[in-house]
Amino acid sequence: GQNIDQPTEMTATEGAIVQINCTYQTSGFNGLFWYQQHAGEAPTFLSYNVLDGLEEKGRFSSFLSRSKGYSYLLLKELQMKDSASYLCAVFDSNYQLIWGAGTKLIIKP
Amino acid sequence: EAQVTQNPRYLITVTGKKLTVTCSQNMNHEYMSWYRQDPGLGLRQIYYSMNVEVTDKGDVPEGYKVSRKEKRNFPLILESPSPNQTSLYFCASSPTSDPYNEQFFGPGTRLTVL
Repeated sequence: GQNIDQPTEMTATEGAIVQINCTYQTSGFNGLFWYQQHAGEAPTFLSYNVLDGLEEKGRFSSFLSRSKGYSYLLLKELQMKDSASYLCAVFDSNYQLIWGAGTKLIIKP
Repeated sequence: EAQVTQNPRYLITVTGKKLTVTCSQNMNHEYMSWYRQDPGLGLRQIYYSMNVEVTDKGDVPEGYKVSRKEKRNFPLILESPSPNQTSLYFCASSPTSDPYNEQFFGPGTRLTVL
């Protein structure tokens, strides 16, 4: 079966760095997405990785290792507005997007 | 403003009463999709459409219907809603079905079936 695993919840302090991990087992791979979803709102796109390595975009970076079936999202200089759920999703060989359950990130002052 | 709109945003209904949730995008996107989101579960795809008059089942299509008669609209139809269809529903669109395209989501429709 297809499976995407993320921690259910994480807590971090304002100004700190946090890493949210995602492991996947899917039938094929055509890229991995990270989305941010604030409570009660729609998901919004953060990043897309299809090649191994680190992609940096401002305070957010996303890493991919296809051989390990592993990705992480790195958030630096955390702000209170970063409190949200972070969703990992993989495009499989059937061009279907498989979603993880999301990681709820709580930022404390 | 480029956006995906859904209506209604909130709906409480009773078992068996047919309903339609509308979805419209103004970005000329080819690909549209419907998801449901339940606590503790990831987004699950209900149906998707790669273009006008082309629709396919996603992971959880039972109890739902869709149509794509125009490029901009992709309504979700529940012919006979049941309580297990109580959920948060999102419509999404992307330029094409190519994997690298981000999806743009509507604001969501919270449906309660009594």
